[in-house]
Amino acid sequence: NAGVTQTPKFQVLKTGQSMTLQCAQDMNHEYMSWYRQDPGMGLRLIHYSVGAGITDQGEVPNGYNVSRSTTEDFPLRLLSAAPSQTSVYFCASSYSRGPPYEQYFGPGTRLTVT
Amino acid sequence: AQSVTQLDSQVPVFEEAPVELRCNYSSSVSVYLFWYVQYPNQGLQLLLKYLSGSTLVKGINGFEAEFNKSQTSFHLRKPSVHISDTAEYFCAVIPYNQGGKLIFGQGTELSVKP
Repeated sequence: NAGVTQTPKFQVLKTGQSMTLQCAQDMNHEYMSWYRQDPGMGLRLIHYSVGAGITDQGEVPNGYNVSRSTTEDFPLRLLSAAPSQTSVYFCASSYSRGPPYEQYFGPGTRLTVT
Repeated sequence: AQSVTQLDSQVPVFEEAPVELRCNYSSSVSVYLFWYVQYPNQGLQLLLKYLSGSTLVKGINGFEAEFNKSQTSFHLRKPSVHISDTAEYFCAVIPYNQGGKLIFGQGTELSVKP
């Protein structure tokens, strides 16, 4: 049982490049989400999904796309990277049908956009 | 809308001293409350949660927190800290009607000195 896995661990992009951050979980969780972590701002929700085929925007969705074709995978796409997207990205998953809504976090992807 | 405020961005403390990390929240609906810990260069790990019942909840590593509904607070305490408790701590809430959507505070950096 690997929990929540994220790849890559580190990435450097040039402005305007696109890329996909991968996230997978093997706990059969329905709910998956992406957060970004910036100093002094805590974690902010980018996008989330309550099940395969269903996604919705969080607090800071601009510049990011998601899709959920399977229960296990929830990739995050940066369409045209900007320096403001330099951040640490975390994927999380949980059961969604009721509390305790305990979310399990991946190890993170540190992204630098130059 | 909901918000979470962690009143201290940094808390330095000596080993074996007690510590309190303060958290206040604002919400028009009832919320579930959580504390997460992030060790350097790692993902987030759940310390403890309050869903209902007794307002004093105990978590891992000797931490506990008390929910105070009238003051909308959920402060985290430990009677005697260790060097290994050095980490960033995040308070978070999930509104009753938004299963899974964590709203984080800005984080408190706990630094335990010998």
